[in-house]
Amino acid sequence: EVQLVESGGGLVQPGGSLRLSCEASGFLFSSHWMHWVRQAPGKGLEWVSRIDTDGTLSTIIYADSVKGRFTISRDNAKNTLYLQMDSLRAEDTAVYYCARDLHWNLPDYWGQGTLVVVSS
Amino acid sequence: QSALTQPASVSGSPGQSITISCSGSSSDVGAYKYVAWYQQHPGKAPKLMIYDVSDRPSGVSNRFSGSKSGNTASLTISGLQAEDEADYYCSSFTSSHTLAFGSGTKVTVL
Repeated sequence: EVQLVESGGGLVQPGGSLRLSCEASGFLFSSHWMHWVRQAPGKGLEWVSRIDTDGTLSTIIYADSVKGRFTISRDNAKNTLYLQMDSLRAEDTAVYYCARDLHWNLPDYWGQGTLVVVSS
Repeated sequence: QSALTQPASVSGSPGQSITISCSGSSSDVGAYKYVAWYQQHPGKAPKLMIYDVSDRPSGVSNRFSGSKSGNTASLTISGLQAEDEADYYCSSFTSSHTLAFGSGTKVTVL
């Protein structure tokens, strides 16, 4: 059974940093692209970032809204996906989901999400 | 990176059929077959219902079907049931290799 478990969310002040983790199990993690997708309270889904299987810089892409502030990475030996979030803003407040890619930027399995609140 | 356009809400009575549209452009929906539909119940993670425009993952009811014409994709739910009441989102691969989501549609079963 495919399982994705996010952790690391919480309350952080504007300008602060937070690192999210997503532990994967039930599938060959190293063979799949992975995504971070967020959802602000009461709002729709917003794609954040995607990383290819090996995580080299040429295979990483970000939404314009987070480019230069967020960094996606992965550790295939630990079956874990990460999202380093710096220079956080109030508008980054959201539930952050990690998702496995079926193919070509099409997420199939999603984690349960972790809530990030940016507030003073 | 603009969101794909969906109607804010669609409603129907039990047993009826409803269709949700997802309007994009020649840079996303119109250009690729990598269009998906997700169902999201309140407080839950999204669930993949349709992928590659019209394919259904194992375990998804055949009451759900997808199609595409030009720059617009559609999700049809036939034989509407109470448990279908949820938010639905479309998504598409884009020419800039990003992922675009639709604005979301709230489905209400009357």
